[in-house]
Amino acid sequence: GQQVMQIPQYQHVQEGEDFTTYCNSSTTLSNIQWYKQRPGGHPVFLIQLVKSGEVKKQKRLTFQFGEAKKNSSLHITATQTTDVGTYFCAGQGSSGSARQLTFGSGTQLTVLP
Amino acid sequence: EPEVTQTPSHQVTQMGQEVILRCVPISNHLYFYWYRQILGQKVEFLVSFYNNEISEKSEIFDDQFSVERPDGSNFTLKIRSTKLEDSAMYFCASRGDPGYGEQYFGPGTRLTVT
Repeated sequence: GQQVMQIPQYQHVQEGEDFTTYCNSSTTLSNIQWYKQRPGGHPVFLIQLVKSGEVKKQKRLTFQFGEAKKNSSLHITATQTTDVGTYFCAGQGSSGSARQLTFGSGTQLTVLP
Repeated sequence: EPEVTQTPSHQVTQMGQEVILRCVPISNHLYFYWYRQILGQKVEFLVSFYNNEISEKSEIFDDQFSVERPDGSNFTLKIRSTKLEDSAMYFCASRGDPGYGEQYFGPGTRLTVT
């Protein structure tokens, strides 16, 4: 079945440093979504990428979808303490059981003040 | 802003007991989902539901699990005979767009099986 790997599992950064998490799918995706989960909270949708090579920005966050639609990344510039949480990518295939959202294992970001 | 609600927030049950987790999706959404997250692990898909029937389910969603939309607002997940390994956070989600798109997650129900 479809598998989505995500690295790193943990990342500690000083406030103001940049942060990147990477996501890789075993199969070509129809789209990829990114979610943020605060400690004790629930996943909150950040963005969806659909097109090959797509890049989207949300303030300090930059999301990329690979040309082959199998990998993606989230980059945060100049982290703030409010960025703390676990960032999950979630890939979706195009047919059958692959249409379900398959979450990566997440990257837990700690921002040290 | 509309949101998905879930009750109870925490359920403690004994092994072998039946539990029903309840969700109220966003009112004009048509696609409903259940996920689970074992403590410290990733979110795992259980089942999707559309037009009053299951559209997809994962290997986790075995015969012990069932879902129902008993009325126009509630969406329930039933676990018939709970096992210790069913202990997890269960999230309900809903989606309004017919294609792919944002899923809105509820706050979750923490299920503890003792």
